[in-house]
Amino acid sequence: GENVEQHPSTLSVQEGDSAVIKCTYSDSASNYFPWYKQELGKRPQLIIDIRSNVGEKKDQRIAVTLNKTAKHFSLHITETQPEDSAVYFCAASLNAGGTSYGKLTFGQGTILTVHP
Amino acid sequence: NAGVTQTPKFRVLKTGQSMTLLCAQDMNHEYMYWYRQDPGMGLRLIHYSVGEGTTAKGEVPDGYNVSRLKKQNFLLGLESAAPSQTSVYFCASSRVGLADYEQYFGPGTRLTVT
Repeated sequence: GENVEQHPSTLSVQEGDSAVIKCTYSDSASNYFPWYKQELGKRPQLIIDIRSNVGEKKDQRIAVTLNKTAKHFSLHITETQPEDSAVYFCAASLNAGGTSYGKLTFGQGTILTVHP
Repeated sequence: NAGVTQTPKFRVLKTGQSMTLLCAQDMNHEYMYWYRQDPGMGLRLIHYSVGEGTTAKGEVPDGYNVSRLKKQNFLLGLESAAPSQTSVYFCASSRVGLADYEQYFGPGTRLTVT
């Protein structure tokens, strides 16, 4: 099955700095890579995702890059704000849209703290 | 729309007791999932369902059973709870389609087994 490794486990930045979280996956057939944000005591919520036919995707201050050859993808947050403080999870889906039925394999999570 | 809801929000069980967690969604989604979340381990898939009357095992199915008698509901059962099942349980749902794979999560159930 798929295995997703996420680093770092904790990340502390000053407000206004950039933050980068990296994930690697094991199965080259994975083709969908979402990122979820989970605030303390809340449910995970999708913030951005990328398909395997795209190398980069941006949405305002957040971006995701994908390197299929190296089997890794990264979340980039620019101009960080205190409200970005949360746990971020990457995930991968094997053959999304086909026989995987949307199943996700999650990374271990990164606790991001943005200091004012 | 309420989205995905879960009941109960909190529960404390003694070892060996049984309970059922209920997940309900009002988005007419075909796919539903149960995850458990433990510190430092992310979310792990317990069981999932691709439609009414169907269920399948995920990554960590042992000690759990599920049923999907109605499209909008997905039940997770613990027949004989163990301390190792202390966790936060999340239900999620998603629609079928090539254009949208997003999973929508419920608010979670915090379960403690003593």
